[in-house]
Amino acid sequence: DAGVIQSPRHEVTEMGQEVTLRCKPISGHDYLFWYRQTMMRGLELLIYFNNNVPIDDSGMPEDRFSAKMPNASFSTLKIQPSEPRDSAVYFCASSSLTLYSNQPQHFGDGTRLSIL
Amino acid sequence: GENVEQHPSTLSVQEGDSAVIKCTYSDSASNYFPWYKQELGKRPQLIIDIRSNVGEKKDQRIAVTLNKTAKHFSLHITETQPEDSAVYFCAARERGYQKVTFGIGTKLQVIP
Repeated sequence: DAGVIQSPRHEVTEMGQEVTLRCKPISGHDYLFWYRQTMMRGLELLIYFNNNVPIDDSGMPEDRFSAKMPNASFSTLKIQPSEPRDSAVYFCASSSLTLYSNQPQHFGDGTRLSIL
Repeated sequence: GENVEQHPSTLSVQEGDSAVIKCTYSDSASNYFPWYKQELGKRPQLIIDIRSNVGEKKDQRIAVTLNKTAKHFSLHITETQPEDSAVYFCAARERGYQKVTFGIGTKLQVIP
């Protein structure tokens, strides 16, 4: 199993530019999560999907952030326009809902985003 | 919604000593409590988890205890080694939901 795959691993861009982060969940997992990690706020859940449908986007900081999951094997998180305060590590995670329900989330390696 | 508090924020121990990290949660409906370890520059990785119908679980040098009445749970690492140095996160998940709420993290330093 390749695990959760995120790209790019690092992104450096100027303020105002559009940023697109990508995630491929573990095959067979029906839940996908986007997190943002900073020193000040720790791991924050931005949004999560179940079977490609957004379930809870209450953590999305503002309208500049959007996320999509067009199919079971791909999701994107976009920031437009980007701002320096968006600089953080963005993690994607996936999990599956089984008969026993309590299955852990598996994280990707993250995208380290720097907005200049 | 769920709120998870974790302490201490930093912890230094001598190699071979034990380390304890404590967390509290607010939602009595939470029934699953995973612990993640994150090494510098890497992803969080699950190290142990516990369900609400269990009071304690052990895996080699790592153990987790859960007190549902008090709504707190703890991670215990015995015979610490330098490779245990990392940030540890506790988390809680409400029954029937997949959303997990994380604690702020504890930076553990094991001094050789």
